Amino acid sequence: DAKTTQPPSMDCAEGRAANLPCNHSTISGNEYVYWYRQIHSQGPQYIIHGLKNNETNEMASLIITEDRKSSTLILPHATLRDTAVYYCIVRDSSGSARQLTFGSGTQLTVLP
Amino acid sequence: KAGVTQTPRYLIKTRGQQVTLSCSPISGHRSVSWYQQTPGQGLQFLFEYFSETQRNKGNFPGRFSGRQFSNSRSEMNVSTLELGDSALYLCASSLVGAHEQFFGPGTRLTVL
Repeated sequence: DAKTTQPPSMDCAEGRAANLPCNHSTISGNEYVYWYRQIHSQGPQYIIHGLKNNETNEMASLIITEDRKSSTLILPHATLRDTAVYYCIVRDSSGSARQLTFGSGTQLTVLP
Repeated sequence: KAGVTQTPRYLIKTRGQQVTLSCSPISGHRSVSWYQQTPGQGLQFLFEYFSETQRNKGNFPGRFSGRQFSNSRSEMNVSTLELGDSALYLCASSLVGAHEQFFGPGTRLTVL
């Protein structure tokens, strides 16, 4: 699976949009981009995934560049409960293996 | 629908002992994966089970083992515990072919 690079930490004001970047310049054609988050001492929580097109769900939006070498997770109206470590993961979903390779992630702190 | 449950939530053992952790996946989920999380190494994949068969294994010594039962419940065992085995052990379940994996709250193991 391709390696990802994320900033170690970011701050965001409550109510504003949080934009979390991820670089995955070695991504291959059949690899998806996944985002998970982990609130302190809890299990990771799935947020969203995408292959080529931008995606949106009730939690967030995922913007993938046209060359697929980077992506941005957008939390449109961040709340204090969104403070967590956010992991960007690239994985080939065509095979049977389910493992996720977690990097260091981005610690997002939402400030009141 | 109930989420992934892990028991026990907290455990204290001494070096040299062995421990068994349990994971009950979401009803209908047949794939179960285990991860170890430590401050130094982050989240690392241990193994994955599907239909009672280990499908994938991470880079951990043979002291770490697991199994899956016919009802998809899974257990992992660590023998001859070392201080470095102190960690949060997370279990994740998913539907076959689904992108999303659901994590449990984890078992916090402390080895003294």
